[in-house]
Amino acid sequence: GAGVSQSPSNKVTEKGKDVELRCDPISGHTALYWYRQSLGQGLEFLIYFQGNSAPDKSGLPSDRFSAERTGGSVSTLTIQRTQQEDSAVYLCASSLGRGLFFGPGTRLTVL
Amino acid sequence: QKEVEQNSGPLSVPEGAIASLNCTYSDRGSQSFFWYRQYSGKSPELIMSIYSNGDKEDGRFTAQLNKASQYVSLLIRDSQPSDSATYLCAVNRPGGGADGLTFGKGTHLIIQP
Repeated sequence: GAGVSQSPSNKVTEKGKDVELRCDPISGHTALYWYRQSLGQGLEFLIYFQGNSAPDKSGLPSDRFSAERTGGSVSTLTIQRTQQEDSAVYLCASSLGRGLFFGPGTRLTVL
Repeated sequence: QKEVEQNSGPLSVPEGAIASLNCTYSDRGSQSFFWYRQYSGKSPELIMSIYSNGDKEDGRFTAQLNKASQYVSLLIRDSQPSDSATYLCAVNRPGGGADGLTFGKGTHLIIQP
């Protein structure tokens, strides 16, 4: 497939558990972003990777959130000790400099 | 002050008419502007980009940018029911890299058959 892919598509977890969300960007795209979108809300920026530069983590809401990007390609967003307010759709996007292209998202539900 | 503002709607437009969506932004240093369409339960889809003042046309869509007034708009001509969606305005985020974007909360557009 030529687009951004994310897995899992849905994740239900219990409060306090850790979760990992995966993103495979479009091949060759150097920039990768994570956003989240709560029901009826806008897109909230979380973190940005550009090539081999240090990531821009300015949007991460707490130290329970972390992300890494291995080999300049696949990225994993980790949420530790999940809380109910973490429930949202987590969207990954990649870019080559002219607009972002989004994956289908991971719907996270924390019970 | 919110960085990117849009009227949440819903904006109801009869089929075949022109739908006009507006967006204002706060950072005068912004250089890149985008419109995304998001169907319910789906992820945003890039439909238009604009970088300089004036109009940019692509099929039934026209993006308009006025940097002096800090607004960007999207016109949809000959509106179709399939255009019913939430339209997100995005502006490059100050210090967010070449294309780090801040999104508005979107305008919900309804095309009435």
